[in-house]
Amino acid sequence: GDSVTQTEGPVTVSESESLIINCTYSATSIAYPNLFWYVRYPGEGLQLLLKVITAGQKGSSRGFEATYNKETTSFHLQKASVQESDSAVYYCALGDRCLGYKLTFGTGTSLLVDP
Amino acid sequence: DMKVTQMPRYLIKRMGENVLLECGQDMSHETMYWYRQDPGLGLQLIYISYDVDSNSEGDIPKGYRVSRKKREHFSLILDSAKTNQTSVYFCASSPPGQKNTLYFGAGTRLSVL
Repeated sequence: GDSVTQTEGPVTVSESESLIINCTYSATSIAYPNLFWYVRYPGEGLQLLLKVITAGQKGSSRGFEATYNKETTSFHLQKASVQESDSAVYYCALGDRCLGYKLTFGTGTSLLVDP
Repeated sequence: DMKVTQMPRYLIKRMGENVLLECGQDMSHETMYWYRQDPGLGLQLIYISYDVDSNSEGDIPKGYRVSRKKREHFSLILDSAKTNQTSVYFCASSPPGQKNTLYFGAGTRLSVL
């Protein structure tokens, strides 16, 4: 079946340091995968951080970037300089452009940024 | 303000009791979802609702049922709760034309003792 594997947390990074959270996927039943990063801040629901629907393209938001790499089936999340406000749980997710609706989520990576 | 609201946020029940989790959204989204998340697992889809009285099973519907009588409200019901239904439950909605862009509630942490 379809699956998403991401960096196991918690991940602790000092403020202003760089960050990478790895995400790889397996899309055995999806012809046209779409890839997403969702973020959950403390006390809030998950919210869409960025999405990429075309292989080879890069998505960006709030200083975060992720490139959809079809060859390595990866969608790693990166940020050059994290802030304390980036402390949250990050979820990588896989969707189907054609069938829509159903998302396959990773387990989430808890990020703590030390001030 | 676009919002998905879940009530209650925390709930403790005894095995065999009935459980009602409620979800509301103020965006008039047609499609709504119930997910659960357990430690070490990703979010798992329980049910999808495409509109009022138009519900479809997700990946793990066993032991759950849903009710959607108004577009703004989507309820998850556990008849005779089991200890393995202890989990964090998330409700979500998505706008038309953006199937994979979900707006989530903050979650309900349910403990079944």
